[in-house]
Amino acid sequence: SYVLTQPPSVSVAPGKTAKITCGGDNIGSESVHWYQQKPGQAPVLIIYFDTDRPAGIPERFSGSNSGNTATLTISRVEAGDEADYHCQVWDSGSEHVVFGGGTKLTVL
Amino acid sequence: QVQLQESGPGLVRSSETLSLTCTISGGSINNNYWTWIRQSPGKGLEWIGTMYYGGSTSFSPSLKSRVTFSADSPKNELSLKLTSVTAADTAVYYCARLRWYSGRPNWLDPWGQGTLVTVSS
Repeated sequence: SYVLTQPPSVSVAPGKTAKITCGGDNIGSESVHWYQQKPGQAPVLIIYFDTDRPAGIPERFSGSNSGNTATLTISRVEAGDEADYHCQVWDSGSEHVVFGGGTKLTVL
Repeated sequence: QVQLQESGPGLVRSSETLSLTCTISGGSINNNYWTWIRQSPGKGLEWIGTMYYGGSTSFSPSLKSRVTFSADSPKNELSLKLTSVTAADTAVYYCARLRWYSGRPNWLDPWGQGTLVTVSS
C-alpha cells in the first residue's frame, strides 16, 4: 500500500518560516491534504487539493506538491501554530485513506 | 454546518467488543461517505475504514477481520464495532466525513471531537 513519510519533528523560531514535508512515490500525481492537530483536540483541515485553504485558515498556511514531495509551509510562525501536522491522500489503488506519520512543530 | 459527535464506553475489557456511535447533526447521513480513524496515545492517525451510507465499505487490512460498520438513517447515526479487542486497540476514535470531488474521495472534513477508549485486562 501507499506510504507517506513525514519528519517526526520540525523546530522554528517565531516569525520565521516552517516547512513540513510529506514524501511518497510520485506524490505529485496525487491530491494531498493537510491537518493541524493541537494537543487534546481533533485534527482540523488546513490545506486540501495540495494548495487550497478552507475558509478561516490564515494565508500564512500554504501547500505545494511536486515529484515525490508535498510541502506544507507556514510563514511568520506564531506560538499558536505549535501542533502536530498530518498529511493525507486517497490511495486509489487500494481504495484506502493514507496518513503520514505526523510531524510535531515546535515553536522555539 | 455538519457536526459529528462520537460516544461510547470509555473502558472495554480485553477480548470483548468495542462499540461506538457517531451522531451527525446539521446534515444528512445519506449520500455521504463516512470514515472512522483512531489515534493511539502519542501516535499518528490510523485509518480504520470508510462506508457509504447504504452501500460500499472499505477497511484497513489490519483491522478488516474485526471491524463492522452500520448506519441508522432515521437517527442520523453511524456505528463502529471492533471485536476481540486488546490493549493495542486503546486509542482516541474519531469519525469524519470523507469529501468527494472530481469523482473520487479526497479530504476528511469535518471531524468529531473524538472519544478515548481504553482496553483493560
